[in-house]
Amino acid sequence: EPEVTQTPSHQVTQMGQEVILRCVPISNHLYFYWYRQILGQKVEFLVSFYNNEISEKSEIFDDQFSVERPDGSNFTLKIRSTKLEDSAMYFCASSEEDLDTGELFFGEGSRLTVL
Amino acid sequence: RKEVEQDPGPFNVPEGATVAFNCTYSNSASQSFFWYRQDCRKEPKLLMSVYSSGNEDGRFTAQLNRASQYISLLIRDSKLSDSATYLCVVNGRGYNKLIFGAGTRLAVHP
Repeated sequence: EPEVTQTPSHQVTQMGQEVILRCVPISNHLYFYWYRQILGQKVEFLVSFYNNEISEKSEIFDDQFSVERPDGSNFTLKIRSTKLEDSAMYFCASSEEDLDTGELFFGEGSRLTVL
Repeated sequence: RKEVEQDPGPFNVPEGATVAFNCTYSNSASQSFFWYRQDCRKEPKLLMSVYSSGNEDGRFTAQLNRASQYISLLIRDSKLSDSATYLCVVNGRGYNKLIFGAGTRLAVHP
């Protein structure tokens, strides 16, 4: 069964460092997303991406965050200068269609710990 | 008011019990509704979509009341493997993002 894959599974970094989280969405999917979940809290939307551009972003997704689809398969989330409060599980997701009709498939997540 | 609100639980039930979860949402423009399941430290996985007419999938039944902006999930004959957090999720028309509730934790014991 096709799946969304994410790397790394866990990253520990120092405050102020740049982090890149990588995702390979399901190959025929057109819509890509990043969500995050702080430990013990709810899953929060960060950004959606379609046709090589951001289609929506939340208030959390400030200038410290960026996304990129550098080639035909990878979808990355970059945090420029990490803060303690960026510690969370980051989930990449993809869908074949928009979410009015399509199902969202999540990767297993990348746990980011900022020290 | 929170966009999606759920009773956090935990619901502790014996095997074989019937348990019901409720959820309310604030955006009357929301068009798509789902229940997701999340196991501890794992990714959310779609359990079922929720349709206006109500729908059933085996032991799971979902209901939607648009007038009250209320969604429910009923689990019959609970199994140990049903232990997880159940997430109520909505999507608004024109918005390509899902809004998650904080989840209701279910613990099924022998």
